[in-house]
This record gives sequence, structure tokens and C-alpha cells, in this order.
Amino acid sequence: NAGVTQTPKFQVLKTGQSMTLQCAQDMNHNSMYWYRQDPGMGLRLIYYSASEGTTDKGEVPNGYNVSRLNKREFSLRLESAAPSQTSVYFCASSQGQSYGYTFGSGTRLTVV
Amino acid sequence: DQQVKQNSPSLSVQEGRISILNCDYTNSMFDYFLWYKKYPAEGPTFLISISSIKDKNEDGRFTVFLNKSAKHLSLHIVPSQPGDSAVYFCAASAADSNYQLIWGAGTKLIIKP
Repeated sequence: NAGVTQTPKFQVLKTGQSMTLQCAQDMNHNSMYWYRQDPGMGLRLIYYSASEGTTDKGEVPNGYNVSRLNKREFSLRLESAAPSQTSVYFCASSQGQSYGYTFGSGTRLTVV
Repeated sequence: DQQVKQNSPSLSVQEGRISILNCDYTNSMFDYFLWYKKYPAEGPTFLISISSIKDKNEDGRFTVFLNKSAKHLSLHIVPSQPGDSAVYFCAASAADSNYQLIWGAGTKLIIKP
């Protein structure tokens, strides 16, 4: 009964370092998403994958790349971390619009 | 320009009373609206949704009302319980934006004993 699993839960990076946030879902959902949440703001879409083999930019894609490895897994990569990327990152999946999204528990990333 | 606005950052309600959370939107193309609930250190969880062809949807203690002419929706929780203390997000989507969700900034609901 895992749902959406994100790793790691916490991470501190130095400016310029790279890292990959991992996300996996076990609900056989077609669509997967990466969001960031900053204080006083709603969730903002970074990238999404409507189906296996496709990825598209969201509202704030700069500084990020994604890979839809298979139907289960969708990773988010920061190639050269910047302090502006300090945020809480959420991965989500959905079967379609009417079903809502299922979210992971988030990754709290701090870039110093 | 925020397309989905939740103008109350926080709301405090007595246990047992009604909680009303509000959300306004500007994009008339939005045709589907959702409410999510978020506890600290957890991801948001889906609560209730409404299509633009309806003006009301109920699920137990939760009711969402949609006023399309005013571009306004509200979430009613009756009666409010301590476990309802959380941040509530309103989100909206439109067919012409590939159903990507646009989120409000959230309202923190505090239920007082």
C-alpha cells in the first residue's frame, strides 16, 4: 500500500552540486508530476509526464531535467543546484483528471 | 498573475462549528476544481472535486459549492473536528491546458477545542 514513494526525504546541497530526486508509484498510473512548494505559494509544476515515454515542461522548468524511466518511475535532476532551488519537492501521479492526484511525502531540499 | 487565489492565509474555527474555506479564480476556461488537504511533513491528499457542470458536490462532512458567475468556490466542513486542522489547497484545471492543475496558496485551518 505504498502509493507514491519519494527519496530522499531531506537533502542539503552546496551551490553547484548535482543530485537526482527519485519517485516511484505502484498504482499503475499513466501520468506523473514534479512540483515545488515555496512558503506562501501554491504548488508549482516543474515537469510532468502524461504517459510513459513523454515529458513536458510545466510552469517552472528552468534548472531541472526529468526522466520517465518506465511507467513506475519519474526522476527529477538538478544539474547545478542554486540557492533559489531551496524548496520542498513533491512527486505525484494520477490516472486522469477525475481521480485527483496522489502525492508522495515530499523532499525538503536546502541549497547553501 | 495568480489564476487561483485563496485570500485567507489562515482560519480559526471552534470544534463542532462549520468551517468555510474560500477560493476565487480568474480563468473562465477552468472546468474542474479540486480541494486537497495537507498535514505537516506529508504530501497533499485529495479531498473532494467538482466539475463546472455542477454547482454542488457532497461527500460526508465535506461539501464544495461552485458559483461560476462569481468565479468562486467554497469548501464547507460540518461539523469541524480536531483532525481537520491542516492546510487546504484549492486547485483548478482546464481542458485547453492539458488539465494541468493550477494551485492556490493554501489556507491553514485551525480547529479550536
